[in-house]
Amino acid sequence: GAVVSQHPSWVICKSGTSVKIECRSLDFQATTMFWYRQFPKQSLMLMATSNEGSKATYEQGVEKDKFLINHASLTLSTLTVTSAHPEDSSFYICSATQGGYGYTFGSGTRLTVV
Amino acid sequence: QKEVEQNSGPLSVPEGAIASLNCTYSDRGSQSFFWYRQYSGKSPELIMSIYSNGDKEDGRFTAQLNKASQYVSLLIRDSQPSDSATYLCAVSANQAGTALIFGKGTTLSVSS
Repeated sequence: GAVVSQHPSWVICKSGTSVKIECRSLDFQATTMFWYRQFPKQSLMLMATSNEGSKATYEQGVEKDKFLINHASLTLSTLTVTSAHPEDSSFYICSATQGGYGYTFGSGTRLTVV
Repeated sequence: QKEVEQNSGPLSVPEGAIASLNCTYSDRGSQSFFWYRQYSGKSPELIMSIYSNGDKEDGRFTAQLNKASQYVSLLIRDSQPSDSATYLCAVSANQAGTALIFGKGTTLSVSS
């Protein structure tokens, strides 16, 4: 079946630094990737949608200059949290789809900003 | 604003009982409906998808969809303690490149 590999699984960084999260589709071409954020005891909130070779579309309230998304190839999308602060601490999950049918999720990244 | 509503619970059932989880959605254009299970600290895992009105069964799980009422449900028969998790309802418009919109999830606790 379709597999999406997400790295790292967890990361601790200092306030003010940047963190990059990678999401790779291993056995299919991900035409679209989605990035979600989940705070404790809350649901997955869509942050942005990215299509290969295009600029990401961000949801209302998500700072595009803070959460940089790159979808340079059909198998790789990255989310960079720039100048991270403690309030950015969350569980970040990517999801990939091929043609909009079927969604495969990465294993998630637990980000802690200290 | 497209919304997906779920009762947050917790829903507590004894082992062997039927657990019933419900979900309503606001976008009448929605075409695809999913139930995910999520354990604490883990990514969601797909339980079932349903696209047409009616029931869809897969083992101990049955999904029910009523587009006229904008309502989706999940029944878990013979509930097991290992079913204890948060169940997320997700909806998409089924157009290429459309994201899933998630409900807040219902926490299920199955006691042995």
